[in-house]
Amino acid sequence: EPEVTQTPSHQVTQMGQEVILRCVPISNHLYFYWYRQILGQKVEFLVSFYNNEISEKSEIFDDQFSVERPDGSNFTLKIRSTKLEDSAMYFCASTAGGDHEKLFFGSGTQLSVL
Amino acid sequence: GESVGLHLPTLSVQEGDNSIINCAYSNSASDYFIWYKQESGKGPQFIIDIRSNMDKRQGQRVTVLLNKTVKHLSLQIAATQPGDSAVYFCAEIFSGGYNKLIFGAGTRLAVHP
Repeated sequence: EPEVTQTPSHQVTQMGQEVILRCVPISNHLYFYWYRQILGQKVEFLVSFYNNEISEKSEIFDDQFSVERPDGSNFTLKIRSTKLEDSAMYFCASTAGGDHEKLFFGSGTQLSVL
Repeated sequence: GESVGLHLPTLSVQEGDNSIINCAYSNSASDYFIWYKQESGKGPQFIIDIRSNMDKRQGQRVTVLLNKTVKHLSLQIAATQPGDSAVYFCAEIFSGGYNKLIFGAGTRLAVHP
């Protein structure tokens, strides 16, 4: 069964450093998302992406965040200058389109900012 | 304001019993209500959804009930199995907000043999 894959599974970085989280969505999907989950809290929407542009973004997704689909398979989330409060599990998700309520999530990247 | 929340943070059940996980929502404009399951170390997994114009929808061993009068959503799991142990999140999509899910806080379901 096709699945969303994310790398790395764990990322440790120093405050102020840039990180890039990588995702390979399911191949025939058209809509891509990043969500995050701070330990013990709810899953929070960050950004949605369709047709090579951002469709919607949350208040969390400020100027320090960016997304890119550099080729036909990868979807990346970049944090330019990480802060302690960016520590969280980051989930990539995708859907084919038409069923926006049914997202396919990856297993996540645990980001720890020290 | 808009919010999706859960009544109980942890639910413990015996294997074979039925489980009921509850969720309250505040936004009457939501089009879809959805249940996701998150197992340890994994991302959320879609279980079942219900459109706002429906009251009940059944899947395999799961049933979702929507009570719009009191803005309440529930997930019923029949004959709960150890593999059902996970955190369950309710989520919603607002009218016109088809690009994002709004998740609730989550309920942990612990199934005991």
